[in-house]
Amino acid sequence: DQQVKQNSPSLSVQEGRISILNCDYTNSMFDYFLWYKKYPAEGPTFLISISSIKDKNEDGRFTVFLNKSAKHLSLHIVPSQPGDSAVYFCAARAGGTSYGKLTFGQGTILTVHP
Amino acid sequence: DGGITQSPKYLFRKEGQNVTLSCEQNLNHDAMYWYRQDPGQGLRLIYYSQIVNDFQKGDIAEGYSVSREKKESFPLTVTSAQKNPTAFYLCASTDISSYNSPLHFGNGTRLTVT
Repeated sequence: DQQVKQNSPSLSVQEGRISILNCDYTNSMFDYFLWYKKYPAEGPTFLISISSIKDKNEDGRFTVFLNKSAKHLSLHIVPSQPGDSAVYFCAARAGGTSYGKLTFGQGTILTVHP
Repeated sequence: DGGITQSPKYLFRKEGQNVTLSCEQNLNHDAMYWYRQDPGQGLRLIYYSQIVNDFQKGDIAEGYSVSREKKESFPLTVTSAQKNPTAFYLCASTDISSYNSPLHFGNGTRLTVT
């Protein structure tokens, strides 16, 4: 039972344009959501997060939107740069659980073309 | 430089042998985690520990064992009972004194069992 789903395995975008990565979840107990970026043969690095009490969080070129009623979150990258090319994972945590006990999506491979 | 060190980066073993993956952190984090990544899948939690000498099973603990004798160290043993041990293993830690502190990952160990 996949509680966090990233339905697009890959996304290709032109440099300077917007990249939108999507994530859906099914567990109503999730109250904190994170996005991680991962390069091959390296560990994921934290990008941005959002608590369920918010619907938007912004950090530089990265913005995460949360739609609780639809159980959907998205990561917007504007403008996209070639260095953004990586695998992006969304992750969720249920309230009352260990801080690092995350449920991850399958990942979306983002390719930004110069 | 604070961080998480996983060694070795690549590990090869014969089927039927136990193997131990090392994870050391100098971030002074109380909580440590082991995740496993398989191709096309998200990360899945194997074991975690929130305090020295205590640990809990994650979602896929069967065939694995851990110890937490020191705050800085959380080694993972992949036993011969693990049916599909070939995978990319990631160690992580987090600061549980800070709510919503993100998970910090090491660079992983790729284990190949033949």
